[in-house]
Amino acid sequence: GAGVSQSPSNKVTEKGKDVELRCDPISGHTALYWYRQSLGQGLEFLIYFQGNSAPDKSGLPSDRFSAERTGGSVSTLTIQRTQQEDSAVYLCASSLELAGALNGEQYFGPGTRLTVT
Amino acid sequence: AQSVTQLDSHVSVSEGTPVLLRCNYSSSYSPSLFWYVQHPNKGLQLLLKYTSAATLVKGINGFEAEFKKSETSFHLTKPSAHMSDAAEYFCVVSDKGGNTGKLIFGQGTTLQVKP
Repeated sequence: GAGVSQSPSNKVTEKGKDVELRCDPISGHTALYWYRQSLGQGLEFLIYFQGNSAPDKSGLPSDRFSAERTGGSVSTLTIQRTQQEDSAVYLCASSLELAGALNGEQYFGPGTRLTVT
Repeated sequence: AQSVTQLDSHVSVSEGTPVLLRCNYSSSYSPSLFWYVQHPNKGLQLLLKYTSAATLVKGINGFEAEFKKSETSFHLTKPSAHMSDAAEYFCVVSDKGGNTGKLIFGQGTTLQVKP
């Protein structure tokens, strides 16, 4: 069966441009998560969706970051007016239930490596 | 607030010897704990999870971890290291006992396996 997929796998953009990152979760997974992995910063939680709803947006680094999920499936993370400090690997994960539940383990995609020049 | 501390940033073992990767957690709630592994240029893979069932949890590839509430620890062990175990390992706690879906990652431990 297909796992979590993300596109593009690599993205190089100029400072100030907008970028859109896509995540396709495992079919049937109700929860979807976005994380950022920066060199020297570890893994940082950004946002999660339960269905199409994002109850907790406090992890988004600034108002330049936004995310949406439609149809309980595909999610996009948009970064407006990119800055060099946005350079990182953006990881998406999905789970059947929320983390901590019996079926709450998260399955991660391969990530999108974003480089802002 | 929940947090997790991986006590070693780098661990080096010889092939065939035991592996111990240490993790301590802090949680106001009954925690759910996980270990993930990340091989170079590959995605994160779940090794094992603890969700308040048996305190000794067995995972894939011969790894296991024991939840010790009195010590607030969840150390990862393997009796005999294999070269293919060389990777980055993350200890993870779920936020607020799992009610929000947020995972909090430790800083990671790089495991080096020498021939």
